[in-house]
Amino acid sequence: QVQLQQSGPGLLKPSQTLSLTCAISGDSVSSRSTIWNWIRQSPSRGLEWLGRTYYRSKWYADSALSVKSRITVNADTSKNQFSLQLNSLTPDDTGVYYCARAGSGTAAGLFNFWGQGTLVTVSS
Amino acid sequence: EIVLTQSPGTLSLSPGERATLSCRASQSVSSNYLAWYQQKPGQAPRLLIYGASSRATGIPDRFTGSGSGTDFTLTISRLEPEDFAVYYCQEYDDSPPWTFGQGTKVEIK
Repeated sequence: QVQLQQSGPGLLKPSQTLSLTCAISGDSVSSRSTIWNWIRQSPSRGLEWLGRTYYRSKWYADSALSVKSRITVNADTSKNQFSLQLNSLTPDDTGVYYCARAGSGTAAGLFNFWGQGTLVTVSS
Repeated sequence: EIVLTQSPGTLSLSPGERATLSCRASQSVSSNYLAWYQQKPGQAPRLLIYGASSRATGIPDRFTGSGSGTDFTLTISRLEPEDFAVYYCQEYDDSPPWTFGQGTKVEIK
């Protein structure tokens, strides 16, 4: 059974950088049939897909336009985990952040396993 | 980007009753790449339905998804106590960004 375990700080100040990690068990971050995603949820934005990384002979990553200039999603194969970095935080980035696994091909946007969520609060 | 609009915002029903939730897309969702998730307080969303009508692993058959094009429905035939939650639709058509509806809360009447 796939399990995703998130870690990272929950309270940050404006202009700081958010760093979250998602440790994977029961699957490999380097799998060629899965995609690793970050999704956030807030009262103002609802559920919002942020970005992803995946391996297909080389590493790929892409992200939502709303955060494209501020986000980095990458993988650490030695630890079988992937991470999210979001810089230049504002209070509007407050919300619950989830990591999630998707399949490939037609299931690339279908999130069948989720982390437990991390509440991130951006406040001075 | 496809915009998904769910209705109603809140559904107040009693256990044993039938729940009908709607999800309307701003443009046609090709190949019915439409999913439904259930979320309980303090938990991550759980995948219920994919491909508009296929149940995910372990999902009871009281959950039924239907629809095509721009109009989709999630029906819960007889509500069990554990079904009271918030339900989201999501399109996974083509390429990112994928979008979610704003949710329908099913609450106990």
